[in-house]
Amino acid sequence: DAGVTQSPTHLIKTRGQQVTLRCSPKSGHDTVSWYQQALGQGPQFIFQYYEEEERQRGNFPDRFSGHQFPNYSSELNVNALLLGDSALYLCASSRQAYTDTQYFGPGTRLTVL
Amino acid sequence: SQQGEEDPQALSIQEGENATMNCSYKTSINNLQWYRQNSGRGLVHLILIRSNEREKHSGRLRVTLDTSKKSSSLLITASRAADTASYFCATAKAINAGGTSYGKLTFGQGTILTVHP
Repeated sequence: DAGVTQSPTHLIKTRGQQVTLRCSPKSGHDTVSWYQQALGQGPQFIFQYYEEEERQRGNFPDRFSGHQFPNYSSELNVNALLLGDSALYLCASSRQAYTDTQYFGPGTRLTVL
Repeated sequence: SQQGEEDPQALSIQEGENATMNCSYKTSINNLQWYRQNSGRGLVHLILIRSNEREKHSGRLRVTLDTSKKSSSLLITASRAADTASYFCATAKAINAGGTSYGKLTFGQGTILTVHP
């Protein structure tokens, strides 16, 4: 049973560029949440997708957008990258948007130069 | 913004000793969860305690929850060098909309635990 997978593992971009990160949820899970973790900080909630719609959103600008596909996989897109977007981006999956345990992927390390 | 504050920020102990980490939060919750993170990689779920529970055990882990004080503690007994990691508490609060309950996790800043062999 595959856990949560994310791609790519590492990514280097320059300011102003756009990036797309991908996540496949754990088998049997239909909800995907995205978190941003800056160095030395705890993860911060970006948004959550369930039934292909954004259901909740954290305090992040519109430059951060996402999508969920019919197979429950998800993408996180960030436009007009800033230096401050450099972080570890974590994807978590769960069942039906419940508040129970979320299963996290290994993360994508984004560096913006 | 972070919901919780964790204390201490860093903890250094010898193998065999117990490690205690504390977490405080500000608003009402459905449950509180503890996660572990090695070397800035993915988070591993350790234990979940619901708001109507006061104590929970899992192997060498013991978690307590005091909702009146809005605080929780994680105790790792007989620590091992392999327990070296960052530990995060996360609170979960359900939001009900359209007949479905949605939840998200709000994390604290974490405690860096170093266990020396």
